[in-house]
Amino acid sequence: QVQLVQSGAEVKKAGASVKVSCKASGYTFTNYWIHWVRQAPGQGPEWVGMINPNGGYTSYSQRFQGRVTMTRDTSTSTVYMDLSSLRSEDTAVYYCANAQDYFSYFEYWGQGTLVTVSS
Amino acid sequence: ETVLTQSPGTLSLFPGERVTLSCRASQSVNSNYFAWYQQKPGQAPRLLIYATSSRATGIPDRFSGSGSGTDFTLTISRLEPEDFAVYYCLQYASSPRTFGPGTKVDI
Repeated sequence: QVQLVQSGAEVKKAGASVKVSCKASGYTFTNYWIHWVRQAPGQGPEWVGMINPNGGYTSYSQRFQGRVTMTRDTSTSTVYMDLSSLRSEDTAVYYCANAQDYFSYFEYWGQGTLVTVSS
Repeated sequence: ETVLTQSPGTLSLFPGERVTLSCRASQSVNSNYFAWYQQKPGQAPRLLIYATSSRATGIPDRFSGSGSGTDFTLTISRLEPEDFAVYYCLQYASSPRTFGPGTKVDI
């Protein structure tokens, strides 16, 4: 069965960086895009960006451009999201989700990773 | 950016009732690229409907979607206890992908 398993909760100071991982299994890793979506406490989801594991092409929301980097390791079927210059507003649960192609819905989701930014 | 607005913000209903949730887009969205999700506390969103009206695998037929252009609707024909949750719409026709703010369906 398809599974996306994310790394554990993180607590960071403002100004630091965080790297969250998402390990895929149960399907051909390079056949599906991976999106990152975050959700601040009590808020709706917000799209961060996406990566194509087949080649590594990325596309980021303008809101995070310059602060976010998404990479992949095909040998371990893992995608990483690196967010730098953290501020308190970045406190949120970060989810990865897969999608069949560039214009596709988010089908399977990871369990989420809580990132807490303290000042 | 396509902004999605959902109404109402909260609905208080009884099991067995029929409910219609609305999502309005700030500009026209290709109906092939519109979805609905359900989210319960502490869980990731769960895909219900994609391409405006196609049910995802395992979703009961009491859930249905419709709409076009800027107005989309999710209907639950008969509320079951497990349907009390927050519902989000999503457009994936353009970047950035955008979600609505959600409608909470309360018991």
